[in-house]
Amino acid sequence: DTAVSQTPKYLVTQMGNDKSIKCEQNLGHDTMYWYKQDSKKFLKIMFSYNNKELIINETVPNRFSPKSPDKAHLNLHINSLELGDSAVYFCASSQEQRSYTDTQYFGPGTRLTVL
Amino acid sequence: DQQVKQNSPSLSVQEGRISILNCDYTNSMFDYFLWYKKYPAEGPTFLISISSIKDKNEDGRFTVFLNKSAKHLSLHIVPSQPGDSAVYFCAASDINQAGTALIFGKGTTLSVSS
Repeated sequence: DTAVSQTPKYLVTQMGNDKSIKCEQNLGHDTMYWYKQDSKKFLKIMFSYNNKELIINETVPNRFSPKSPDKAHLNLHINSLELGDSAVYFCASSQEQRSYTDTQYFGPGTRLTVL
Repeated sequence: DQQVKQNSPSLSVQEGRISILNCDYTNSMFDYFLWYKKYPAEGPTFLISISSIKDKNEDGRFTVFLNKSAKHLSLHIVPSQPGDSAVYFCAASDINQAGTALIFGKGTTLSVSS
């Protein structure tokens, strides 16, 4: 019954590795997002994506790439992991992209630790 | 540059009293504001929102007030309950930023004691 789910919940890995975080929503929403919560507790948008458009926050390194196999999934791939990538990553979804009053529903988060 | 600021990292309130959480913003283009609540090890959950054309929105025990001239909003919880203990994030929508991304503050941890 979970509306937005993420796997894994915890991810510990070495620097330089490539990893993926999966996100699935069963709300039938058109738009999905990835946010990063850093050590200072700021939640910052990384990407927003629907079946037509990928919007990338310009501050996100190109080592990060979203992949959407279908409307219900938006996975986050990270190449060549760095220490500074350690954070909690949240997936979210909303019904429409252009309706900025639309509520975003968040997943439980994935805590990534890079050693 | 923080566009959404929550200057109080924490707030402690007794059960039954009012909790007031504050938020300031700097971007005058923001026209939609939201409050999210977050429990440990969970994602943020939507609580209440307000459009810039309004100055107040109420939903049960929760009321959000918006003062556009001061670029300030506040969340009032009356009466506060122990289950309200959580981190509260203020967020704003930037209509100039594609993708309807939310700009979040750092959060205020509310502790309600019984």
